[in-house]
Amino acid sequence: AQTVTQSQPEMSVQEAETVTLSCTYDTSESDYYLFWYKQPPSRQMILVIRQEAYKQQNATENRFSVNFQKAAKSFSLKISDSQLGDAAMYFCAYRLNTPLVFGKGTRLSVIA
Amino acid sequence: DVKVTQSSRYLVKRTGEKVFLECVQDMDHENMFWYRQDPGLGLRLIYFSYDVKMKEKGDIPEGYSVSREKKERFSLILESASTNQTSMYLCASTQIPRSGYEQYFGPGTRLTVT
Repeated sequence: AQTVTQSQPEMSVQEAETVTLSCTYDTSESDYYLFWYKQPPSRQMILVIRQEAYKQQNATENRFSVNFQKAAKSFSLKISDSQLGDAAMYFCAYRLNTPLVFGKGTRLSVIA
Repeated sequence: DVKVTQSSRYLVKRTGEKVFLECVQDMDHENMFWYRQDPGLGLRLIYFSYDVKMKEKGDIPEGYSVSREKKERFSLILESASTNQTSMYLCASTQIPRSGYEQYFGPGTRLTVT
């Protein structure tokens, strides 16, 4: 079974600085999808960024980018120029032919 | 915009009660999901459905059942609520599960069983 591991339960970053959240996964497949979701306090879970495994180019969405290392099965999220609104739980997720498999999440705090 | 709504944001029930959590999506998605979210455990899949009247067990189906009578509505049922079912419940839907399509989430229902 596929598993997703987020090794950092909590992280903090100074406003305007850069932070990287780690995610590793376990799969024997070659073609799959990876996602980062954000869950702000008391608000709905929303998609931050997605990556297709067959694409070598790392996905980017404004201040958010990923470092996708397929051989290492690593999918980290980099947040540049951190803002107070980035404070949230961040979940890494994997999908092949099943519903999303989530990691346990990383709680990110942003310090003003 | 896709909208996934859940019937209650907060719910308090007594042990042994039958509990219904309702979820409705307005984008004609065929695929709907129920997750449970607990601190330190992330999101765990309870049940999912690929079509009307169709259901599949997820990772933690024990103590739960579901109903999908209409495409837009997916209900989670706790037949006899217990204190260990106190949790945040999240509903989600997506167009095609075997793909890179986004999975949209509802706001969640925080259930407390006393």
